[in-house]
Amino acid sequence: DSGVTQTPKHLITATGQRVTLRCSPRSGDLSVYWYQQSLDQGLQFLIQYYNGEERAKGNILERFSAQQFPDLHSELNLSSLELGDSALYFCASSSMQGGNTIYFGEGSWLTVV
Amino acid sequence: AQSVTQLGSHVSVSEGALVLLRCNYSSSVPPYLFWYVQYPNQGLQLLLKYTTGATLVKGINGFEAEFKKSETSFHLTKPSAHMSDAAEYFCAVSLPNNAGNMLTFGGGTRLMVKP
Repeated sequence: DSGVTQTPKHLITATGQRVTLRCSPRSGDLSVYWYQQSLDQGLQFLIQYYNGEERAKGNILERFSAQQFPDLHSELNLSSLELGDSALYFCASSSMQGGNTIYFGEGSWLTVV
Repeated sequence: AQSVTQLGSHVSVSEGALVLLRCNYSSSVPPYLFWYVQYPNQGLQLLLKYTTGATLVKGINGFEAEFKKSETSFHLTKPSAHMSDAAEYFCAVSLPNNAGNMLTFGGGTRLMVKP
């Protein structure tokens, strides 16, 4: 158990809909990352927050957004969903120092039908 | 920008045989290097990492990796494979002092262990 909690574990939704994925980082970790894992794209970094502020942005679509709340949990919002958004979405957390281990949650499986 | 190449998307070994998973990176500066393992229907678990210091790094479950700057490689090895090692393995890099400590992953190598 990495200490990173993600909900829901599985989600099936229709095209055009909006979903929210939730993440609770490890106790004491200020930094939260979101990654997408799909068969065709592999593991892609989406976005990172540190203590409530956006710190780095990767290959995140404009239809997707995220935020980190004062209690440090984070949410990833996916809207106008397309079939190609079906993937495993990971949340990860770390303390800020460079080289520190990034701990991953077990992921949220999103299926868009 | 940094990138990671894992040679061989699938590797098959016999139980008890040497495991060698290859990872080469491209980076403008010496990066931090990581190996993660993903078991079926689970998240990513850190096996080992290299930041500074000794270039031979030992990790969990008997795995080790050696950072070779001249070859821009960070290959993962284990002397004797167990059935329980069957999983997908990911090599990743991040840049020192990078604001995001963001990991860039390779494409992954699926390790199969034959009895």
